[in-house]
Amino acid sequence: QLQLQESGPGLVEPSETLSLSCIVSSGSVTTYDIYWGWIRQPPGKGLEWIGSIYYSGTTYTYYNPSLRGRATTSIDSSKNHFSLQITSVTAADTAVYYCARHEAAEFDHWGQGILVTVSS
Amino acid sequence: DIQMTQSPSTLSASVGDRVTITCRASQSISSWLAWYQQKPGKAPKLLIFKASSLKSGVPSRFSGSGSGAEFTLTISSLQPDDFATYYCQHYNSYMWTFGQGTKVEIK
Repeated sequence: QLQLQESGPGLVEPSETLSLSCIVSSGSVTTYDIYWGWIRQPPGKGLEWIGSIYYSGTTYTYYNPSLRGRATTSIDSSKNHFSLQITSVTAADTAVYYCARHEAAEFDHWGQGILVTVSS
Repeated sequence: DIQMTQSPSTLSASVGDRVTITCRASQSISSWLAWYQQKPGKAPKLLIFKASSLKSGVPSRFSGSGSGAEFTLTISSLQPDDFATYYCQHYNSYMWTFGQGTKVEIK
């Protein structure tokens, strides 16, 4: 059974870079035709897709324009994980961050989520 | 960008009720529409994909329908485990967009 687990710091200072990893178990991040995505949920609010990465020999990345170029995703096949970085964070980036797998349209496997608070 | 609007935002219902949640797109969209259930402190769980396909293992009381710009999630007989927040989600041209959510509360 595919499992995903987010990891990273729970507290980030304003203007710094948020960095998270998602460890994939019982599956490979280099599986063809599979996307690996990041979704976040501010406290008490709804879900927002951040970005996704897709591997098919070459890596392709897609991002929500609302992040205004601050988000970057990458894959580390040696560690079988994928990562998210968001630069210049503010309090508005405080959220539970989820990693998820999707075959294009829908997200069918999710991590448990990690709360990241932006505060000094 | 295509916007997804769910209604109602909150729904109060009793066990055994038939419940319908609507998701409207800002323009006609393909059938790349999914529905998720989320309980407090948990990750969302996929229920329906491609507008009307039930994910394996999801109870048959859940169903999805719709086309064009209007889609619905129906719970035929609400069970105690179904009190949760439900989200629709659309995919189009490498953009994944969620509705704002519908909270199903105990009446």
